[in-house]
Amino acid sequence: NAGVTQTPKFQVLKTGQSMTLQCAQDMNHNSMYWYRQDPGMGLRLIYYSASEGTTDKGEVPNGYNVSRLNKREFSLRLESAAPSQTSVYFCASSEATASGANVLTFGAGSRLTVL
Amino acid sequence: GNSVTQMEGPVTLSEEAFLTINCTYTATGYPSLFWYVQYPGEGLQLLLKATKADDKGSNKGFEATYRKETTSFHLEKGSVQVSDSAVYFCALRGSYKLSFGAGTTVTVRA
Repeated sequence: NAGVTQTPKFQVLKTGQSMTLQCAQDMNHNSMYWYRQDPGMGLRLIYYSASEGTTDKGEVPNGYNVSRLNKREFSLRLESAAPSQTSVYFCASSEATASGANVLTFGAGSRLTVL
Repeated sequence: GNSVTQMEGPVTLSEEAFLTINCTYTATGYPSLFWYVQYPGEGLQLLLKATKADDKGSNKGFEATYRKETTSFHLEKGSVQVSDSAVYFCALRGSYKLSFGAGTTVTVRA
């Protein structure tokens, strides 16, 4: 019953460094998402993948890239980190691609600090 | 586009007090509505949901009714406990993705 697993939990980067946040789900869900959480702004969608082989931009995609490696895994990459990307990042998955009452299952989050 | 507005916090209550968190939305069509809860140090988890007008979602003593006429989905609990201290997010689902409110931090004192 792992659900959605994110790594790493914590990371400190210097401006300009690159890194990849990993996410894996074991629920056979079709759709996966990356959100960032900032104080007073709730969660904002960075990228999502409605199904294996597809990815789409969300509200705040600039400075990020994603890869849907297979049905289980969806990674988020920062090519050149900036202090504005200091945030808590959440990966999530859901079982269907059509609109409706599809519930998201979230990982525990990855706290990233960019100095 | 879709958007959610929820009351600003933080909210501090005593145990057994009544809790209301207001949430209103803007959307085209008939979105599904959700409340998610985030306990300290954890990811978000679903608290309750409603998929059509006049539906009432309920869980763990919390309730919310989907009011299309007022475009609202207010969260209520009649008697809160210390364990209800968390951040609560209202959300609506359009196609493929959820739109979240800013979150309301609730602290319940013993």
